[in-house]
Amino acid sequence: DAMVIQNPRYQVTQFGKPVTLSCSQTLNHNVMYWYQQKSSQAPKLLFHYYDKDFNNEADTPDNFQSRRPNTSFCFLDIRSPGLGDAAMYLCATSSGTGDVNEQFFGPGTRLTVL
Amino acid sequence: GQNIDQPTEMTATEGAIVQINCTYQTSGFNGLFWYQQHAGEAPTFLSYNVLDGLEEKGRFSSFLSRSKGYSYLLLKELQMKDSASYLCAVEDSNYQLIWGAGTKLIIKP
Repeated sequence: DAMVIQNPRYQVTQFGKPVTLSCSQTLNHNVMYWYQQKSSQAPKLLFHYYDKDFNNEADTPDNFQSRRPNTSFCFLDIRSPGLGDAAMYLCATSSGTGDVNEQFFGPGTRLTVL
Repeated sequence: GQNIDQPTEMTATEGAIVQINCTYQTSGFNGLFWYQQHAGEAPTFLSYNVLDGLEEKGRFSSFLSRSKGYSYLLLKELQMKDSASYLCAVEDSNYQLIWGAGTKLIIKP
């Protein structure tokens, strides 16, 4: 089945220790997104790529970076995680074509910062 | 600024009907989405409206009024598995989704 895969599902890191979250997709979608979601809050868009065109949301902290080496993979790097970065990180994709720009989500990575 | 408003929490009874409202103010409008999100899981797509009116999909229906900046999600014949958060999201003129914080729906037997 075509899908969006995120690894790991749960990540524990120490304050200030860099961490990388990964996302892969078998949907062959043009657009990939990284969201941060905290409990009972709306997903907050961090980055999105249309193909290799990178878009950084204006309020995304400098602590966060992203890479998309090819169509299938996307990575989220948190250079120096703080306690406030503990959240669910959601990767999503959309075709970027057609009339309905439905986003398909991976299962998420829950990040804990100790 | 851009804003999506929906109630924080609602409670309903198994077998009943519930309507979850969403109002929005966005820079442009290219469609409105409803997603379901169970606790600790990712959102899953429920419905999409771009024209005024009602879209029906099984037990779930979604309504849109663009002139009023208003939508609702109607869930019929509620089941315990419908306990989840329901997120309203509007695609703005830049084709980005503006998300509401979600409505937590609690179903009681």
